[in-house]
Amino acid sequence: EDKVVQSPLSLVVHEGDTVTLNCSYEVTNFRSLLWYKQEKKAPTFLFMLTSSGIEKKSGRLSSILDKKELFSILNITATQTGDSAVYLCAVMNYGGSQGNLIFGKGTKLSVKP
Amino acid sequence: GAVVSQHPSRVICKSGTSVKIECRSLDFQATTMFWYRQFPKQSLMLMATSNEGSKATYEQGVEKDKFLINHASLTLSTLTVTSAHPEDSSFYICSARGQADQPQHFGDGTRLSIL
Repeated sequence: EDKVVQSPLSLVVHEGDTVTLNCSYEVTNFRSLLWYKQEKKAPTFLFMLTSSGIEKKSGRLSSILDKKELFSILNITATQTGDSAVYLCAVMNYGGSQGNLIFGKGTKLSVKP
Repeated sequence: GAVVSQHPSRVICKSGTSVKIECRSLDFQATTMFWYRQFPKQSLMLMATSNEGSKATYEQGVEKDKFLINHASLTLSTLTVTSAHPEDSSFYICSARGQADQPQHFGDGTRLSIL
């Protein structure tokens, strides 16, 4: 059975800290891995990773994929209270429901002032 | 770019009412649209996938006669919850995708409360 496992499930840090969120997966016919940020509403897209070892960066956020170890990390440096959210990792595979996403349960990040 | 609009954001209605939720891709053509349901403190659960002009593909356990999906154009999909009951109360989220190798972009969700 395909699965995506995120850790930790929740994390509390203080502003300015750096955090690393983890995502491991066991998915047949892997296509790509995506990270989303979900605040009070629906998820907003952060990154899509298809190739191993190529870091994607957007401001203080960065992410990288290891297809050998079936693992990805999302880094957030110099955290701010606005980074508080649930971060979702999802894997898209070939076939199945036309490339639907298999979601992890998310990591709830709380950044304290 | 890649903006998805979902409407309404909140619905409160009586049991037995049918509720229609719209999902529009505003600045791209959505070949495929997805409908999810999310319970409190849980991740998104895929309900169905629809391609423009085709019948939706429903996930196991999702009643297609209960949750009617129409994807009549490349920018609009609708989900109708027919004869809604309190157990249908949930957060419904749509997403849209252009080509198959592109990410899904999500609408803001619809919080449905059936009294």
